[in-house]
Amino acid sequence: DVKVTQSSRYLVKRTGEKVFLECVQDMDHENMFWYRQDPGLGLRLIYFSYDVKMKEKGDIPEGYSVSREKKERFSLILESASTNQTSMYLCASSFLAGNHYEQYFGPGTRLTVT
Amino acid sequence: AQSVTQPDIHITVSEGASLELRCNYSYGATPYLFWYVQSPGQGLQLLLKYFSGDTLVQGIKGFEAEFKRSQSSFNLRKPSVHWSDAAEYFCAVGSQTGANNLFFGTGTRLTVIP
Repeated sequence: DVKVTQSSRYLVKRTGEKVFLECVQDMDHENMFWYRQDPGLGLRLIYFSYDVKMKEKGDIPEGYSVSREKKERFSLILESASTNQTSMYLCASSFLAGNHYEQYFGPGTRLTVT
Repeated sequence: AQSVTQPDIHITVSEGASLELRCNYSYGATPYLFWYVQSPGQGLQLLLKYFSGDTLVQGIKGFEAEFKRSQSSFNLRKPSVHWSDAAEYFCAVGSQTGANNLFFGTGTRLTVIP
């Protein structure tokens, strides 16, 4: 079974703090993703990575950065947390299943910025 | 550009009743389509997928979905709902570019009443 784990299920941080969200997958997948999920907005892609040290902006990258130093680990960084970054953050990894990609998700981190 | 519309924000059904969740997509070519389910406090779990071939696809937990190209739809169905099906359901369309990221609908929350 594919396993995608996220370092924290719940996190509370103060405005202005630097926040690290960690994601690890154990299936040697090339691609990894960070989404945020907000009520009524569904999932929105923040960043993704298709290889070590490679990253691409998604739909809402402002205020975030990412790091992928090892294939199995993809970190999301909030340089200076703000209250509008309070959200559920979901990490995913994907692999090529025949002629299409399948994404597998971690359990999510619910971040509250006060 | 890809997009997904789930017109129903919230649906309530009685246990044992049939269910249909609607999904319409916009995509320039043959899409890859997915349904995910998210139980409260959990990540997303893949229910089923369509990428080619038979337009009626079977998934886990007794769900099925039908791809209708003429209507740009990929509706999810279950003949008899169980209380454990209460969750949020997301339809997604997959990009066929090298990015392989998914575009999600805003989700439909399903409530099951006894």
